[in-house]
Amino acid sequence: AQTVTQSQPEMSVQEAETVTLSCTYDTSESDYYLFWYKQPPSRQMILVIRQEAYKQQNATENRFSVNFQKAAKSFSLKISDSQLGDAAMYFCAYSSNSGYALNFGKGTSLLVTP
Amino acid sequence: KAGVTQTPRYLIKTRGQQVTLSCSPISGHRSVSWYQQTPGQGLQFLFEYFSETQRNKGNFPGRFSGRQFSNSRSEMNVSTLELGDSALYLCASSPGDRNYGYTFGSGTRLTVV
Repeated sequence: AQTVTQSQPEMSVQEAETVTLSCTYDTSESDYYLFWYKQPPSRQMILVIRQEAYKQQNATENRFSVNFQKAAKSFSLKISDSQLGDAAMYFCAYSSNSGYALNFGKGTSLLVTP
Repeated sequence: KAGVTQTPRYLIKTRGQQVTLSCSPISGHRSVSWYQQTPGQGLQFLFEYFSETQRNKGNFPGRFSGRQFSNSRSEMNVSTLELGDSALYLCASSPGDRNYGYTFGSGTRLTVV
């Protein structure tokens, strides 16, 4: 089974600064999908960004971008110009091309300070 | 466009009872997945339905079951509730292609006493 590891239980960043959340995964597959989800206190999981493994180009969504290193099985999330509303739990998730389940990491709690 | 709707938002049940949770996906989405979220185990996949057929199932006991109706709405049922079933149950929908990602509902908080 594929495992997803988020090694930072908590991170803190000042408003307007940049922060990077780490994620590594273990898989023997060559084609898969990776996601970052955000879960604020309202508890609804919100899709932040997704990456298709066969694409070399790193995905970007406004202030959010990823650094996808396929050989290293690393998928980090960079948040630029951090805002107070970015404070939440962030989950990294893996989905294989042959299944329909998301495998989640344990999450990173991001605190944004003024 | 309405999001994924889960009802009820909160439930309190007694050990040994059974419970049914409901999920209405985004209009046009044919895939519905269910996840259990607990502080100890994190987010765990329960099962996924597509066009009324279960396509994938996680590693949960048979007390956990689900179904999907022709309008794509889904229900999950937990029988003979145990204290350890207390959790946030999240439903997610997608058009059916994983490439699009999944849209989650706000969840049902189940407390077993």
